[in-house]
Amino acid sequence: EVQLVESGGGLVKPGGSLRLSCAASGFTFSSYSMNWVRQAPGKGLEWVSSISSSSSYIYYADSVKGRFTISRDNAKNSLYLQMNSLRAEDTAVYYCARDLGYSGSPFDYWGQGTLVTVSS
Amino acid sequence: DIQMTQSPSSLSASVGDRVTITCRASQSISSYLNWYQQKPGKAPKLLIYAASSLQSGVPSRFSGSGSGTDFTLTISSLQPEDFATYYCQQSYSTPAFGPGTKVDIK
Repeated sequence: EVQLVESGGGLVKPGGSLRLSCAASGFTFSSYSMNWVRQAPGKGLEWVSSISSSSSYIYYADSVKGRFTISRDNAKNSLYLQMNSLRAEDTAVYYCARDLGYSGSPFDYWGQGTLVTVSS
Repeated sequence: DIQMTQSPSSLSASVGDRVTITCRASQSISSYLNWYQQKPGKAPKLLIYAASSLQSGVPSRFSGSGSGTDFTLTISSLQPEDFATYYCQQSYSTPAFGPGTKVDIK
């Protein structure tokens, strides 16, 4: 069974940093591209970042470019999101999601999410 | 960037109703359009990919159609477990989601 389990969320002050993790199991992690998608309270879904299976290709939404860094460790079956210079508008549930890595592939499995709250 | 819109933003329907949700892209995305269902407090679930392909395990009452800029998600006979918010997402370029359509009980 495919499982994605996020962790690392919490309360952080504006300007602070946080590192999210996503532990994957039930599939060959190193064969799939991975993504972070967020959802502000009561709002819709916003794609944040993607990383290819071998980390060769990395993409960011304009809203987080220069502040967030996506990475992965295929030996540990883990995905990460380093978030720096956090702002109130980064407050959201952050989901990790798998995609098949081909052009146009959807997000076929999602984790349960971890809540990040940026507030003084 | 490609912008996605959905209509309506919300709708009220009864069990057994046929429900149609529309999604429009700001430019052609061929068939790179996916649909997700999200229930309160839960992660989104993939329903339809590539505009019209049913994800494994999803009931056949869900169907998708369209290409280019205009797409639809249809639920042929609404069931109690279908009350949720539905999002379209384009995967033609940098992923982008529509604003969502909330389906609630009439």
